[in-house]
Amino acid sequence: AQSVTQLDSHVSVSEGTPVLLRCNYSSSYSPSLFWYVQHPNKGLQLLLKYTSAATLVKGINGFEAEFKKSETSFHLTKPSAHMSDAAEYFCVQHTGGFKTIFGAGTRLFVKA
Amino acid sequence: GAVVSQHPSRVICKSGTSVKIECRSLDFQATTMFWYRQFPKQSLMLMATSNEGSKATYEQGVEKDKFLINHASLTLSTLTVTSAHPEVSSFYICGGEGGNTIYFGEGSWLTVV
Repeated sequence: AQSVTQLDSHVSVSEGTPVLLRCNYSSSYSPSLFWYVQHPNKGLQLLLKYTSAATLVKGINGFEAEFKKSETSFHLTKPSAHMSDAAEYFCVQHTGGFKTIFGAGTRLFVKA
Repeated sequence: GAVVSQHPSRVICKSGTSVKIECRSLDFQATTMFWYRQFPKQSLMLMATSNEGSKATYEQGVEKDKFLINHASLTLSTLTVTSAHPEVSSFYICGGEGGNTIYFGEGSWLTVV
C-alpha cells in the first residue's frame, strides 16, 4: 500500500536556524509530491510541489524540498527559520485516480 | 496562485438543523473537488470526492445521507450537513483540483449545540 510518513510529529528550532522537516513516501512509480502549510484555524496553503521535473523544488517563503528517489524522500528545508513559520506542515502524495495521501503532519515550533 | 474560497468560516447551529458550506474556485475551474474533515491536532480525513455534474464518491464510513455534496458547476461545490448532531462538530476543508494540484479553502468550523 502506498503511504506517506512524516518522521517527526514535532520539530523545534530557534529563529534564524535551519529547518528540516522529513517526509518519506512509498510508491511503485514516480509520484507527485507536495508540501502544504497550515496555520492555526486556517486551510492548507501550497508551499511547493514535485511533478517529475527538477528534483530540487523551490517554494514560497524560502522553503525548498529535494526529491530523492533512492531514499524515497522529499524533505522540506529552509535555511533560516522565522517566527511566522510556526505552523503545521503536511507532506502529500497524489496517486492514480487523483487520490491524495496525507502524512500525519509535523508541528514546527520556532523559538525566539 | 489559484484561490479557493470557503464560506462560512465559522457556523454554529442547533441539533437537528441543516447547515450548508460552500466552496468556490475563484480563478480556475475545478473539475474535481474534495471535502475533508479534520479533528484537532490530526491530519485531514477525506470524506468525499465530487466531479462536476455527477454524484459524489464517498469514503468508507462517511454517511452520504448526512453529508450531502453537490457539485453543480466547475467553480462551486457545497457540503450540506443534514440533521446535524454534536458529533459532527469539526473543521471541514474543501479542495479544488487545478493543474494536477489541490488548492484548499480556508476551512469552516462547524459547532453543533
